[in-house]
Amino acid sequence: AQKVTQAQTEISVVEKEDVTLDCVYETRDTTYYLFWYKQPPSGELVFLIRRNSFDEQNEISGRYSWNFQKSTSSFNFTITASQVVDSAVYFCALSGGSARQLTFGSGTQLTVLP
Amino acid sequence: EAGVAQSPRYKIIEKRQSVAFWCNPISGHATLYWYQQILGQGPKLLIQFQNNGVVDDSQLPKDRFSAERLKGVDSTLKIQPAKLEDSAVYLCASSLDYTYEQYFGPGTRLTVT
Repeated sequence: AQKVTQAQTEISVVEKEDVTLDCVYETRDTTYYLFWYKQPPSGELVFLIRRNSFDEQNEISGRYSWNFQKSTSSFNFTITASQVVDSAVYFCALSGGSARQLTFGSGTQLTVLP
Repeated sequence: EAGVAQSPRYKIIEKRQSVAFWCNPISGHATLYWYQQILGQGPKLLIQFQNNGVVDDSQLPKDRFSAERLKGVDSTLKIQPAKLEDSAVYLCASSLDYTYEQYFGPGTRLTVT
């Protein structure tokens, strides 16, 4: 069985602060994929990143960066110099199994204050 | 490129009534998913189609929920009869194949009174 844990239910930061969202996963599969999605107040889930289990290289995209550590089963997401527009619920998700079912964490509500 | 389309965006029904949701995936996407998202929770997969065949429907309450994907393109999700606990946002997503990232539609917010 797959499981994704996002222990931080809510985080509040002031604009321009850096913030890290934690994600810990469990799976018995040797090949799997990890994702981050953003859900702004409008409700539509927006794809941010996909990472496969064989690629532990960290990734940076503008103000966003991701740290994948297989040894600790973690896939953390950092926003540098946060902005008010970053306020949203962020979901970590795991895809594994023969049909690659996507299992979501419970989400972290990020609020960036001006 | 057009995204995933869903309709209606909102629906209010009374318990024991029936309701249907429609989804049109991104053109060329073979895999289609229906999720249920209850307020404050992450989306939960209800059913996954690969073309017009069902890959996984293990979490679909089959006594009241049904879904079909005609000709491997559009899909409908039906609830009959609805219960209060079915109040949620129903999300449709599609992907090129099940190994790729999923793209989500805007969702249908269902309220059962």
